[in-house]
Amino acid sequence: EAGVVQSPRYKIIEKKQPVAFWCNPISGHNTLYWYRQNLGQGPELLIRYENEEAVDDSQLPKDRFSAERLKGVDSTLKIQPAELGDSAVYLCASSLGQGIDSDTQYFGPGTRLTVL
Amino acid sequence: AQSVAQPEDQVNVAEGNPLTVKCTYSVSGNPYLFWYVQYPNRGLQFLLKYITGDNLVKGSYGFEAEFNKSQTSFHLKKPSALVSDSALYFCAVRDRSSGNTPLVFGKGTRLSVIA
Repeated sequence: EAGVVQSPRYKIIEKKQPVAFWCNPISGHNTLYWYRQNLGQGPELLIRYENEEAVDDSQLPKDRFSAERLKGVDSTLKIQPAELGDSAVYLCASSLGQGIDSDTQYFGPGTRLTVL
Repeated sequence: AQSVAQPEDQVNVAEGNPLTVKCTYSVSGNPYLFWYVQYPNRGLQFLLKYITGDNLVKGSYGFEAEFNKSQTSFHLKKPSALVSDSALYFCAVRDRSSGNTPLVFGKGTRLSVIA
């Protein structure tokens, strides 16, 4: 069974440029998460989707970050414009969801973003 | 608010020796507790979780963790460490009684197993 797929794996951009990350969750997983992991830190949740609905985006910096999961499967996270402080690893995770609040999240390999 | 503390940034252990990676948590209700491992340039891999029931939880690759409610701890253990266990380990907690609260991660502990 394929795991969570993310692309690209690495991205280097100059500040003020836009960037987008793509995630395809494990087949059948209704819940999708985007996390940001800064160097030396644990992941921090940016947004959580239940199917196509964003149910928790309280930590998403909405002035420059946006996300979508139009058909309830794959998802895109965008930053426009990027700032130096956005350099981090962006992780996507998925879980079965469906109200199982002890559900295990499975992570993709992440996209390492460097903003110059 | 829920939180996780991993008091050691780095743990060094000799191959074949037992290892312990410490984790303490804080939640207002009862916790769901998780351990994940991260290898270089890889995402987090699930090791084990505590939901309810037996305080000793067994997981992947010979790892286990013991839930201790009185000490609010969930330390990760392995009887005999392997060099291949060297990685970054994250403890995470969710408050079971607070609806759809997010999973909160600790800062991670880097385990180095020396041959």
